[in-house]
Amino acid sequence: GAVVSQHPSRVICKSGTSVKIECRSLDFQATTMFWYRQFPKKSLMLMATSNEGSKATYEQGVEKDKFLINHASLTLSTLTVTSAHPEDSSFYICSGWTSGSRHEQFFGPGTRLTVL
Amino acid sequence: AQSVTQPDIHITVSEGASLELRCNYSYGATPYLFWYVQSPGQGLQLLLKYFSGDTLVQGIKGFEAEFKRSQSSFNLRKPSVHWSDAAEYFCAVGAAGTASKLTFGTGTRLQVTL
Repeated sequence: GAVVSQHPSRVICKSGTSVKIECRSLDFQATTMFWYRQFPKKSLMLMATSNEGSKATYEQGVEKDKFLINHASLTLSTLTVTSAHPEDSSFYICSGWTSGSRHEQFFGPGTRLTVL
Repeated sequence: AQSVTQPDIHITVSEGASLELRCNYSYGATPYLFWYVQSPGQGLQLLLKYFSGDTLVQGIKGFEAEFKRSQSSFNLRKPSVHWSDAAEYFCAVGAAGTASKLTFGTGTRLQVTL
């Protein structure tokens, strides 16, 4: 399967700072990238869908001004958690999709964010 | 709205024993169904998927799943579990014909005893 990387794998930051998480498709061009959030012992919750070159579509209840998503190229999407607070601590996972993947999303390994 | 239920939060089986993980879905049309496995520190890996056709789907690592429309189920099975199968398993449903926003179940943690 295709490979998706995320950087950093884990990050610790102080409350009030912003954190950027990168998601890269290494061997394919992802026309669509998805961002998920996973709480401990919980399912993955879709946060937003981003298509290359256009604004992200956020799921209900997700603050678009807090979670800024940029999908500037077919191989890179970024999620910026602005003014992070302890309740934003979570595991963030991205996935990439392309029309040639026959409906399969390829997932990154995730980023563990801890806000102190 | 689509939804997925995985009734078993945690399952423990002995190595070599058979395994069945349950998944029930709710979706108004023909669903796209997936099973993923998540190991610590690793991303979600697709085990198998069902779109149409044969309702018994074969996947990687010796896993299979059967789509039963009448029961709205897509249970995952493996005839003989290996210790390396210990992980978190997620069932997911996606909307047919789209880039598939996926809705995940809450997951089942599989523990394998030697």
